[in-house]
Amino acid sequence: DTEVTQTPKHLVMGMTNKKSLKCEQHMGHRAMYWYKQKAKKPPELMFVYSYEKLSINESVPSRFSPECPNSSLLNLHLHALQPEDSALYLCASSPRAKGSYEQYFGPGTRLTVT
Amino acid sequence: DAKTTQPTSMDCAEGRAANLPCNHSTISGNEYVYWYRQIHSQGPQYIIHGLKNNETNEMASLIITEDRKSSTLILPHATLRDTAVYYCIVRVEWGSQGNLIFGKGTKLSVKP
Repeated sequence: DTEVTQTPKHLVMGMTNKKSLKCEQHMGHRAMYWYKQKAKKPPELMFVYSYEKLSINESVPSRFSPECPNSSLLNLHLHALQPEDSALYLCASSPRAKGSYEQYFGPGTRLTVT
Repeated sequence: DAKTTQPTSMDCAEGRAANLPCNHSTISGNEYVYWYRQIHSQGPQYIIHGLKNNETNEMASLIITEDRKSSTLILPHATLRDTAVYYCIVRVEWGSQGNLIFGKGTKLSVKP
């Protein structure tokens, strides 16, 4: 298996809802990432997990809560989001936990907050 | 980390080579050049990376000038499916955690 999968592909949620995004890889990669991409902008890093531990949080608001239950799975829990949080949320993984910029991305979840 | 400069957009005829330039005049000795692309509505895709020697893989070739201040990504026979935004990123290989910093990239349009 040489891909990163993300579910769901599309998500519409209200500002009071709680939802979760899921990311999975079975390549034995030791680092996993969440990026956010607004329309017509490049992706921006949100979180990095190395060996299932959170190693980078790019000052992301607490309404976004990441979780790495095991080395293959990464979740992003969403609560009380704002309309400006509407974006494409990308998950990525890389073979090495540190110093590796060879990352493999999933197709993303397109989130709309109403 | 060194900044990169890329043209905003480029066109290429199908079947011809696409040559995408990137300037990184402030690159330091231990920084690598990485290339990614993002096809519309998909996640970014790793293409290739290099330090100072030219590199080739099944997708593309990377030519880095001797002074390392610029590089060119070459897609030897562009197809319509190569239409995408191409990002040139410069990073230290064994630096901080692997957080990619994407610039604005070059939008390559491959035309029939």
